[in-house]
Amino acid sequence: NAGVTQTPKFQVLKTGQSMTLQCAQDMNHEYMSWYRQDPGMGLRLIHYSVGAGITDQGEVPNGYNVSRSTTEDFPLRLLSAAPSQTSVYFCASSYRLGLADYNEQFFGPGTRLTVL
Amino acid sequence: AQTVTQSQPEMSVQEAETVTLSCTYDTSESNYYLFWYKQPPSRQMILVIRQEAYKQQNATENRFSVNFQKAAKSFSLKISDSQLGDTAMYFCAFMKENSGYALNFGKGTSLLVTP
Repeated sequence: NAGVTQTPKFQVLKTGQSMTLQCAQDMNHEYMSWYRQDPGMGLRLIHYSVGAGITDQGEVPNGYNVSRSTTEDFPLRLLSAAPSQTSVYFCASSYRLGLADYNEQFFGPGTRLTVL
Repeated sequence: AQTVTQSQPEMSVQEAETVTLSCTYDTSESNYYLFWYKQPPSRQMILVIRQEAYKQQNATENRFSVNFQKAAKSFSLKISDSQLGDTAMYFCAFMKENSGYALNFGKGTSLLVTP
C-alpha cells in the first residue's frame, strides 16, 4: 500500500490563481480530511468527508472547496489564492473498525504552498 | 467548539532524563478521544499515544505514558529515558464522537533532547 499520497509536494502560486491539491489513499478508508499548518498555530481542520459524496466544513473552510466523488480521492481546491493561504497542507484518512468510534488517522506527507 | 491548549511552546531535556508535556482542553462532551502526535523535522505526523475518555486507566506505549485527569480536563505526556530521536514538535489533539474523525489540535510544544 502507498498509504496517503499528496501531490504536489511544493507549489508557488500568484495571488488570484486557482489550483487543486490532490490527496489519494489506497486503504479503502471512508474518512478523509484536510488540515493546514501555520507556524505557531498547530493544525487546523479545513474540510472533512465521512464517505463518497459527503463532505462537511471544519474550522477554517473559507477560500477552499472539496468534493468526494470516489472513496480514494479527496481533492482540495483553492478558488482564488491569497497570501493568507500560504501554509503546509496535510491530508489524512481513517476508517471505522467494528463498533469502535476511533481508529488511527493516517497522514500524508504534506504540501507546502506559497502564495505570492 | 473544543479548544486544546499547550502552554509550553518550547522545552528541553537531556538524554535519558524524563520530561512531561502539558495539555488541557475544554469540552462539554461526555465521551471523546485524546491523542499525542509527534512531528519530526521530516514533517510526517506520527501517532504517539491515544486515550479514550471513558477509560480510567492511563495509556502507556513503551517510554511514553499519559496522565489523564478527566475532571481537570488535563492530558499530559510523559517521555521517559529521552532519546535524541524524540526531538520533534508534539501536538495534543482532541476528537469527539461521531465527528467524522476530525481532530482539534493544540499549537504544539517543540521538544529538544540534548546529549
